[in-house]
Amino acid sequence: QVQLVESGGGVVQPGRFLRLSCAASGFTFSTYAMHWVRQAPGKGLEWVAVISYDGSETYYADSVKGRFTVSRDNSKNTLYLQMNSLKPEDTAVYYCAKDRVTWDLWDAFDMWGQGTMVTVSS
Amino acid sequence: QLVLTQSPSASASLGASVNLTCTLSSGRSSYAIAWHQQQPEKGPRYLMKLNSDGSHSKGDGIPDRFSGSSSGTERYLTISSLQSEDEADYYCQTWGTGPNWVFGGGTKLTVL
Repeated sequence: QVQLVESGGGVVQPGRFLRLSCAASGFTFSTYAMHWVRQAPGKGLEWVAVISYDGSETYYADSVKGRFTVSRDNSKNTLYLQMNSLKPEDTAVYYCAKDRVTWDLWDAFDMWGQGTMVTVSS
Repeated sequence: QLVLTQSPSASASLGASVNLTCTLSSGRSSYAIAWHQQQPEKGPRYLMKLNSDGSHSKGDGIPDRFSGSSSGTERYLTISSLQSEDEADYYCQTWGTGPNWVFGGGTKLTVL
């Protein structure tokens, strides 16, 4: 069964950092690009970052560029999001999502995790 | 600029059909999109990838009641025989050079 499970969310003060994890199972993790998407309370979905299947390519939304870093450990089937210099506007549920096709960055997301909540507040 | 536009809300009666629309920004008529469903208090769920020619690839377990079609820069999601569990937010998504991955603002579907 294909499954994505996020963890690492919590309450953090502005300016501090947090690292999210996404544990993947049920598919060959090392062959798929992976994304992070967030959803602020009561708002729509916002794409955050993507990493290629081998980690050689990463791209970020302008809103997080220079503060967030996406990485992966294919030996552990795990995706990460390092979030530094957090701002109140980063408060959201963070989802990891799997690309639909192998090797490619440019396709739909066909599997989502259940999300982990990040609250940035003093 | 790559933009997806959705109506904020839609409604239809139990057992009826409803069409949700996602409009691509001008000049993007060749772009594929994806439809995702988000039920209350849940994570999103992939419904289908919808190509510009109307062909689509549905996710595992998605009922035949869900179908897609395309015309120009418009992408449609049709849900027939509406059930109470179809009451949800529906998001379209696309991707392109920039690089950029984009979501529409979502449509909240109410089943009457």
